[in-house]
Amino acid sequence: DQQVKQNSPSLSVQEGRISILNCDYTNSMFDYFLWYKKYPAEGPTFLISISSIKDKNEDGRFTVFLNKSAKHLSLHIVPSQPGDSAVYFCAAIEGGSEKLVFGKGMKLTVNP
Amino acid sequence: DGGITQSPKYLFRKEGQNVTLSCEQNLNHDAMYWYRQDPGQGLRLIYYSQIVNDFQKGDIAEGYSVSREKKESFPLTVTSAQKNPTAFYLCASSIQSYQPQHFGDGTRLSIL
Repeated sequence: DQQVKQNSPSLSVQEGRISILNCDYTNSMFDYFLWYKKYPAEGPTFLISISSIKDKNEDGRFTVFLNKSAKHLSLHIVPSQPGDSAVYFCAAIEGGSEKLVFGKGMKLTVNP
Repeated sequence: DGGITQSPKYLFRKEGQNVTLSCEQNLNHDAMYWYRQDPGQGLRLIYYSQIVNDFQKGDIAEGYSVSREKKESFPLTVTSAQKNPTAFYLCASSIQSYQPQHFGDGTRLSIL
């Protein structure tokens, strides 16, 4: 039973355009959400996070939006660059827990 | 440079053998984690440790064992009881459980 779902396995966008990566969750006790980026044969790298007390967090080209009522978060990358091509994982943690729950990942390809 | 070092990068195991994957961090992080990634899957938690000499099972601990004798080190042993050990293994650490985790570059384990 997947608690964190990334329903689209891949996304392809043109350089300079916006990339929108989506993530849904089922556990209403999750209160902290993270996005990780992963290149082949490397470990994931932390990208951006958001607490459930916020609905938006921005860091440079990366913005994460959280819609608690819909149990949905999204990562926006603007403008997209070829170097952004990677697999992106959404992850969540429940208050009081020590364990991150990861989605299956989504492969983003940014075409020059 | 501070970071997490996993070794070896590639590891081969014969049927019936135990094998130990190394994970060392010099980030002075208290918490350390082991994950397993299979193709098309997210990261699944094997074991985690919040403090030296203490560790807890994750979601898929069967067939694995760990130790945490030093803050810097969290080795994972894949035992012969693990029936499907071929996977990409990732080690991570964090200052504490509610902080973003930093990952090593992984060890790919294959069965001969």
